[in-house]
Amino acid sequence: KAGVTQTPRYLIKTRGQQVTLSCSPISGHRSVSWYQQTPGQGLQFLFEYFSETQRNKGNFPGRFSGRQFSNSRSEMNVSTLELGDSALYLCASSSMKDPGLAVHYEQYFGPGTRLTVT
Amino acid sequence: AQTVTQSQPEMSVQEAETVTLSCTYDTSESDYYLFWYKQPPSRQMILVIRQEAYKQQNATENRFSVNFQKAAKSFSLKISDSQLGDAAMYFCAYRSPFSGGGADGLTFGKGTHLIIQP
Repeated sequence: KAGVTQTPRYLIKTRGQQVTLSCSPISGHRSVSWYQQTPGQGLQFLFEYFSETQRNKGNFPGRFSGRQFSNSRSEMNVSTLELGDSALYLCASSSMKDPGLAVHYEQYFGPGTRLTVT
Repeated sequence: AQTVTQSQPEMSVQEAETVTLSCTYDTSESDYYLFWYKQPPSRQMILVIRQEAYKQQNATENRFSVNFQKAAKSFSLKISDSQLGDAAMYFCAYRSPFSGGGADGLTFGKGTHLIIQP
């Protein structure tokens, strides 16, 4: 079974631009979570989607948004990019079937998208 | 909000030796899950081991075992017979079993860089 895939793997953008990152979960997985990893702040939870609905969102400004499609693929969008948005963005999927039991399901991570904002 | 602290930014161990990575956490919840993730240079996060707080028995996975001290809110990872392939960043993570109402993803520590000396 193929793992979580993220595209693109590397991206360079300019301040003020917007960017869209894509994540394809493991086949059959309906839950997708996004994390931001930076040297200063470490790994931080962005949001989680299940069956096209955002279940939870971390403490990030409204410039960060996401969505999930009917095939469980997910995208996250960052508008008006700032230098501080430079990070590794990780996507994880799980086979969770009941959101109330999310913690019981292992999250499988993708290789990440490295975003550099200049 | 929960916090996870890894006090050792870097650890070094000789190949075939045993090393213990420390993790403490702060929570007001009585039920939760704890995880150790490994992130090698490829940046792909890999689950090493997980522990359910309601289980008194420490989890083990081959050469990896944990020492879970619930009262002390301590969750250390012991790696026996260290191998060169164990070299990576190791992250301790916490997840609440209660869904909804805000950030519900994994809360990570800052990580410990493990170096294996041949």
